[in-house]
Amino acid sequence: EAGVAQSPRYKIIEKRQSVAFWCNPISGHATLYWYQQILGQGPKLLIQFQNNGVVDDSQLPKDRFSAERLKGVDSTLKIQPAKLEDSAVYLCASSLSGTINEQFFGPGTRLTVL
Amino acid sequence: GENVEQHPSTLSVQEGDSAVIKCTYSDSASNYFPWYKQELGKRPQLIIDIRSNVGEKKDQRIAVTLNKTAKHFSLHITETQPEDSAVYFCAASRTGTASKLTFGTGTRLQVTL
Repeated sequence: EAGVAQSPRYKIIEKRQSVAFWCNPISGHATLYWYQQILGQGPKLLIQFQNNGVVDDSQLPKDRFSAERLKGVDSTLKIQPAKLEDSAVYLCASSLSGTINEQFFGPGTRLTVL
Repeated sequence: GENVEQHPSTLSVQEGDSAVIKCTYSDSASNYFPWYKQELGKRPQLIIDIRSNVGEKKDQRIAVTLNKTAKHFSLHITETQPEDSAVYFCAASRTGTASKLTFGTGTRLQVTL
């Protein structure tokens, strides 16, 4: 079974630039999560999708972050404009259903904002 | 919302010794408690989980205990090996459609020879 795929793996941008990350969950997984993991901390949920609907985006900084999952499969997370404090690893995870909690993580995208 | 605290932040043990990592949570409605292992530069991987209808679960050298009354759960690793060196995260969530995992701050475990 293929795992969660993410791209790019690394990205370096200057502050105020824009960046987008892509995630392809495990086939058949209805629930998709985006997490932000700052160095030395645990992952923090940014947004959760159930199919193509948003379930929880309470911790998403909506003035600069946006995410979509238009066809209920792949998802993109965008930051515009980026700030220095956005430097982190952005992890995508998926689970079969929101009611079955085991989440499988992708390899992450390491973002450095200069 | 849920708040998960994890201790210690770093733990160094000698190979063959046991390691214990403890977490407390605040939301009494949480009923799912997974533990993830994250090696340097890699993705978090689920190593064991427990649901609130059981008090203990074992998988070879790894065990997790849960005390719902006190709202704490612990990870126990016996006969530690160098490959156990990693950062370990506990997490907690409710079950249901909006089942959001709240993670602890992580424990860096170093197993020395």
